[in-house]
Amino acid sequence: DGGITQSPKYLFRKEGQNVTLSCEQNLNHDAMYWYRQDPGQGLRLIYYSQIVNDFQKGDIAEGYSVSREKKESFPLTVTSAQKNPTAFYLCASSIPGTGRFITEAFFGQGTRLTVV
Amino acid sequence: AQKITQTQPGMFVQEKEAVTLDCTYDTSDQSYGLFWYKQPSSGEMIFLIYQGSYDEQNATEGRYSLNFQKARKSANLVISASQLGDSAMYFCAMTAAGGSYIPTFGRGTSLIVHP
Repeated sequence: DGGITQSPKYLFRKEGQNVTLSCEQNLNHDAMYWYRQDPGQGLRLIYYSQIVNDFQKGDIAEGYSVSREKKESFPLTVTSAQKNPTAFYLCASSIPGTGRFITEAFFGQGTRLTVV
Repeated sequence: AQKITQTQPGMFVQEKEAVTLDCTYDTSDQSYGLFWYKQPSSGEMIFLIYQGSYDEQNATEGRYSLNFQKARKSANLVISASQLGDSAMYFCAMTAAGGSYIPTFGRGTSLIVHP
């Protein structure tokens, strides 16, 4: 079955540590996204990639880094520079829109990161 | 820039009744898409319904319909015959060319269905 897999589901980080969240998709989608969700804030865009080996900062990229070496994979690293990393992280993918052709984004199950 | 506004942080509805969740959007693009997603307590995002800016008919998917009023820039979700399993967060989202077709989300509405 096609879909997006995020791992781990729960992640605990000590202050000062970098952690990497995994996101893998087998939908053959070119576009991939990382969102952060905090209570009452909706989904805020961290990074996005519309093609392999290229990615762009979103609205809240500070303290995060990504890579896109393969079409299927878009890992997110939460660095020690991110001052408040405790949140729910969602990875998504889609076929890039063109003109009137627009399709929905598909989401992974999410990773809940907690700083301890 | 694209913007989605959901003004109802929380909504309550009696089981079997209909409920409308509000969504207004802002974009200068002529071509855009509007989406609604459901997020149960498990956290997964479930796609519900899509409306394209050029679609003249309101979208419907089972008990879900999207009340699209282009002039008012609104895309309200109507859930008919609410069920207990409809209790969840609901997010309105938009993609448009001006935003590189990146989904932009509202803050969400928490819906609670009472028996």
